[in-house]
Amino acid sequence: SQQGEEDPQALSIQEGENATMNCSYKTSINNLQWYRQNSGRGLVHLILIRSNEREKHSGRLRVTLDTSKKSSSLLITASRAADTASYFCARTGGYNKLIFGAGTRLAVHP
Amino acid sequence: DVKVTQSSRYLVKRTGEKVFLECVQDMDHENMFWYRQDPGLGLRLIYFSYDVKMKEKGDIPEGYSVSREKKERFSLILESASTNQTSMYLCASGQGQTDTIYFGEGSWLTVV
Repeated sequence: SQQGEEDPQALSIQEGENATMNCSYKTSINNLQWYRQNSGRGLVHLILIRSNEREKHSGRLRVTLDTSKKSSSLLITASRAADTASYFCARTGGYNKLIFGAGTRLAVHP
Repeated sequence: DVKVTQSSRYLVKRTGEKVFLECVQDMDHENMFWYRQDPGLGLRLIYFSYDVKMKEKGDIPEGYSVSREKKERFSLILESASTNQTSMYLCASGQGQTDTIYFGEGSWLTVV
């Protein structure tokens, strides 16, 4: 079931620009995980951020978490055409089940 | 490197056939999951398992069953495939309650 919402649903930018995707959720979380999915492929794990963390970085990726607003954002800096993909946030439920949002489709144009 | 392997990338089956989708992980993870992904519906959990021989229904278990005889292997079974089970199936695994979940490459199933 989808219990999160990503915003925007689709994003189109030029290479070199930054891309920001937002995720909101409704219940308390242990952690939030961000994934990338290239067309027709599996999900690739990007970053896990725990409820007691506010920000995490990985290369050109920055994830923030605001538990008071029940929201998270993923920032991709200096985007490349290879970043074109769908991006999902997922919160963790019992037994570490993931509950996904609908995703953001990012298109980066050369 | 973490590895979740789904045995078949593309399958075409006939209505009424029994279908097995196999998934193997090499990380000694306790938890394994099967999701299906459909346009406009996102990723939905079919079944999960938190230990050998243990299984729990997810959000859409109807028409599916699972088997976990060994810790590293989690199989999804379609007892009698139907056209509405045409979809992308994703297997995943993870450890504990709060750790990273890793996905396989997905299996595209077409039922004709």
